[in-house]
Amino acid sequence: DAKTTQPTSMDCAEGRAANLPCNHSTISGNEYVYWYRQIHSQGPQYIIHGLKNNETNEMASLIITEDRKSSTLILPHATLRDTAVYYCIAFWGGATNKLIFGTGTLLAVQP
Amino acid sequence: GAGVSQSPSNKVTEKGKDVELRCDPISGHTALYWYRQRLGQGLEFLIYFQGNSAPDKSGLPSDRFSAERTGESVSTLTIQRTQQEDSAVYLCASSSRLTSGGIYNEQFFGPGTRLTVL
Repeated sequence: DAKTTQPTSMDCAEGRAANLPCNHSTISGNEYVYWYRQIHSQGPQYIIHGLKNNETNEMASLIITEDRKSSTLILPHATLRDTAVYYCIAFWGGATNKLIFGTGTLLAVQP
Repeated sequence: GAGVSQSPSNKVTEKGKDVELRCDPISGHTALYWYRQRLGQGLEFLIYFQGNSAPDKSGLPSDRFSAERTGESVSTLTIQRTQQEDSAVYLCASSSRLTSGGIYNEQFFGPGTRLTVL
């Protein structure tokens, strides 16, 4: 599975868009980009995933560059409840679908 | 319906004791995963079940760790002769049957069991 690189931490003002970057320069053609988040003292929560097209759901948008070497998760209107560690994971699933987590980005939404 | 549940939520044990951690996945989910999260770290994969079989045990750190699943439902992670380095949050996740081509069903995580080995 491709290694991902994320900033250790970011701040965002409440109500503003939060843009979380992820580099995955060694991603292969069959690997998807997944985002999970983990709110303090809870288990991780799936947010969104994509292969090469931009994706949007009720939680967030995922923008993947044309060369697929990086992506950005966008929370359009961040709230205090979005404060969490956000994990970017690049993998294709294989036979087991095990997730390989890095240390993620701690997003702190400020009032 | 109910999500993934884990018990106990917290476990404090003495070094050298055995512990059992339980996971109740979402009903009907055939895939079940165990992960470990040390303080301030990301998640480490431990073991994967498809039904009652464990085709991937590659993440189990030593032979002190074992897991089983019965009835394609409940799973138990057992740690024998616990050591202080076993202290961590142990997370369980489940997902529905895998589809082909790498298309993926999201994993639903439980709240975890916080294990402290004194």
